Amino acid sequence: AQRVTQPEKLLSVFKGAPVELKCNYSYSGSPELFWYVQYSRQRLQLLLRHISRESIKGFTADLNKGETSFHLKKPFAQEEDSAMYYCALTSSWGKLQFGAGTQVVVTP
Amino acid sequence: DAGVIQSPRHEVTEMGQEVTLRCKLISGHNSLFWYRQTMMRGLELLIYFNNNVPIDDSGMPEDRFSAKMPNASFSTLKIQPSEPRDSAVYFCASSLGQENTEAFFGQGTRLTVV
Repeated sequence: AQRVTQPEKLLSVFKGAPVELKCNYSYSGSPELFWYVQYSRQRLQLLLRHISRESIKGFTADLNKGETSFHLKKPFAQEEDSAMYYCALTSSWGKLQFGAGTQVVVTP
Repeated sequence: DAGVIQSPRHEVTEMGQEVTLRCKLISGHNSLFWYRQTMMRGLELLIYFNNNVPIDDSGMPEDRFSAKMPNASFSTLKIQPSEPRDSAVYFCASSLGQENTEAFFGQGTRLTVV
């Protein structure tokens, strides 16, 4: 079965502190993993995808197949990072499935 | 292209009424997803189409929900009859349908059933 798990519903951090959002997945094939972000009153948008190995807005995520994880990290959180973050996985059929999401609140 | 367009943006209806949500895909995209977002359950995949064909509708909660793609660029999600527990934000998204392509989301329809 295809499943994405985000164990934290809410993550509250201080500005300048590191932030890590956990994501674990289960999938029998070779997964394609993504992080999407939803800022207040905006539509969901892609933040980054594992295959491109890029850093977007200071965020990085590494796929760990041994631990079946794709945690999102940023060394120094900013107030504008406050948003809802969703980890997502696509199957070979292109089916895009999301985790429950983690609300990040960055306080000054 | 204006992106994925959903209508209406807000819908308030009485319990028992039929509700139809609409979605226009990005031109050239051949995959279409309908999601429901609630505080309790997050973002749930309701149904997924590829080339106008429903591939996976296992997330559709019950028979009161139905979705169609009458053509390659348009989809509807219908709830009949609606119930208060259907209140949520409904998103549609489209993509090129390949494994590693980005899904583009509409602004969502906020449905309130009273």
